[in-house]
Parts: sequence; C-alpha cells; structure tokens
Amino acid sequence: QQQVKQSPQSLIVQKGGISIINCAYENTAFDYFPWYQQFPGKGPALLIAIRPDVSEKKEGRFTISFNKSAKQFSLHIMDSQPGDSATYFCAATPAGNQFYFGTGTSLTVIP
Amino acid sequence: DAGVIQSPRHEVTEMGQEVTLRCKPISGHDYLFWYRQTMMRGLELLIYFNNNVPIDDSGMPEDRFSAKMPNASFSTLKIQPSEPRDSAVYFCASSTGLANEKLFFGSGTQLSVL
Repeated sequence: QQQVKQSPQSLIVQKGGISIINCAYENTAFDYFPWYQQFPGKGPALLIAIRPDVSEKKEGRFTISFNKSAKQFSLHIMDSQPGDSATYFCAATPAGNQFYFGTGTSLTVIP
Repeated sequence: DAGVIQSPRHEVTEMGQEVTLRCKPISGHDYLFWYRQTMMRGLELLIYFNNNVPIDDSGMPEDRFSAKMPNASFSTLKIQPSEPRDSAVYFCASSTGLANEKLFFGSGTQLSVL
C-alpha cells in the first residue's frame, strides 16, 4: 500500500518551461513533506521541504505548494534547465516515524 | 566528511548465491536506513537502526534478507539465497534523527541476480 502517491511517472519539459510534479497522501498524521532529487548513479538528496503550517515554500526556482485540506502537495520547477533532469521523489513523515516515499518522477528537460 | 559510503557499487551474482552489501554511515549519525529502489515501487524502506539496534524491520521482504549493525560505523545487508526478483538498487542512508531530519544517502549498490 503506497502511503504517498506520486504523478506523473515521467515528464518531459522544454528548457525554460515549468515542471510540475504532484503528490497525494491520506495519513493526516504526516507533518513533514520533503522532496528529494536523484541524479543517475547517485543517491537521492534533499532538495526542499515544507511543513503543513504554510501553504507554499520557495527556494530559488523550486517551489512546494501544499494543500492541507486536499492532502496534496506539489513541486514546481520554474525556468526548467537541462541540469534539472533527474528523478524526483516526494516523501511524507509523521513526527517520530519513518519517511514514506513516492514512486518517483523522471524529469527530462529538453534544451 | 566523505558522506555515506556503500560497497560494492555493482554486484552481479547468480541465483542462489549469498550477497552482502556494506554501508558506512556518516560519523555521528545515530540512525541508519536500508532502502530498496525499483521502478515499480520506488524507494522502499527495508529496515532501520537507532544506535546500532534494529528498530523496524517490517519492510524486509522475507527471511532471505537480514541486516546487522555491529558498530556505529558499519552495517551489512545480506541476501541468502538471492533470487532474480531481488535485482534492484539498494541504498543506505543515515541521519541524526528520525522524522523531520535530512536523510543522507549513499550512492547505492546496483544488484543484478541472474
């Protein structure tokens, strides 16, 4: 049973475009929502994270939008660059417990 | 710090053989996690340790899988006997806390069981 559902599985975006990856969850005990970025041959690395007390968090070109009532959160990559091509994982965790990861989205940014 | 170190990077073995994956966490990190990555299921938590003690092994698929952490700087994940369906990338990660803490992943071990 997937605790966090992620879509799409793959995404192709033109350079300069906006990449959007969506995640949904059911467990209302989740209180921390990170996104991890993974390049080929490497382990995932923390990109950005949000807590449910805010609806949006922005770090450079990366923004998390959080909708607590809908139990959904999304990653937006503005002005997407070829260097952003990677696999992105959303995750969620309740306090004092393990991380639950989505199945990942393979992003390709075409020059 | 060199980060989380995993070995080997690649392992090719035949069905029925024993496979041992190794991990050295970041010094000072009290938590160590073993994950398995597949296309179908993404990142699955297999087991995690706190201060060298296994806390939750509910993700270990079956008795063929076992994990140990004899000290704070070393952990192993063993598969015996291995099967083709075990083929995946296995990641080790460490952190200073459990929830709401940053996970530091190793580069993974690509396991192929023929």
